[in-house]
Amino acid sequence: DVVMTQTPLALSVTPGQPASISCKSSQSLLHSDGKTYLYWFLQRPGQSPQLLIYEVSNRFPGVPDRFSGSGSGTDFTLKISRVEAEDVGVYYCMQSIKLPPYSFGQGTKLEIK
Amino acid sequence: EVYLVESGGGLVQPGGSLKLSCAASGFTFSGAAMHWVRQASGKGLEWIGRIRGKAGDYTTAYAASLQDRFTISRDDSKNTAYLQMNNLKSEDTAVYYCANSGLAFWGRGTMVTVS
Repeated sequence: DVVMTQTPLALSVTPGQPASISCKSSQSLLHSDGKTYLYWFLQRPGQSPQLLIYEVSNRFPGVPDRFSGSGSGTDFTLKISRVEAEDVGVYYCMQSIKLPPYSFGQGTKLEIK
Repeated sequence: EVYLVESGGGLVQPGGSLKLSCAASGFTFSGAAMHWVRQASGKGLEWIGRIRGKAGDYTTAYAASLQDRFTISRDDSKNTAYLQMNNLKSEDTAVYYCANSGLAFWGRGTMVTVS
């Protein structure tokens, strides 16, 4: 199975400051079709997960442009340029290049200072 | 607007069975893969499996640890996906979510308690 490792597991950020979450996969997520199957989700408290970023860097419709994704191969990063109160929750990366299974990272809990 | 509504959760004894449903609207259901993901209380997300649409011959894929007990199916005439769970164990206690292709949209989940 592809193992996804996120760091840090928790971070506390002052509103208006940036935040960054790393996700590393145990094998390359670059598919032979040229796409890289790395996704980012946010699960706000008490809510279902929601898709933020697909294929490394594509924002899902409706996702604010303060969220950005980058990376390649096995190393990926989610960045929030200016954290807002509504960004609180747990962030998950996920790979879908090789299944079964799709695999998620452990989650990174973001809180506001 | 896309809606996914899970139902069928509840309390079941160890060794029992349960069938969850996921009613979908707002997108072309027959063309979409449907996924099931679960989350134990205070834990992370665990992918259970998926079923492709008609173009994908309705093929299924499962997490290896669950494939002997869990089965995903669908009824395109009802825009509904299903998760049949057999021989349930206490560790299957979780909120069960369905999601569509690319896990772009998720339902609100249904709680399954095995006790």
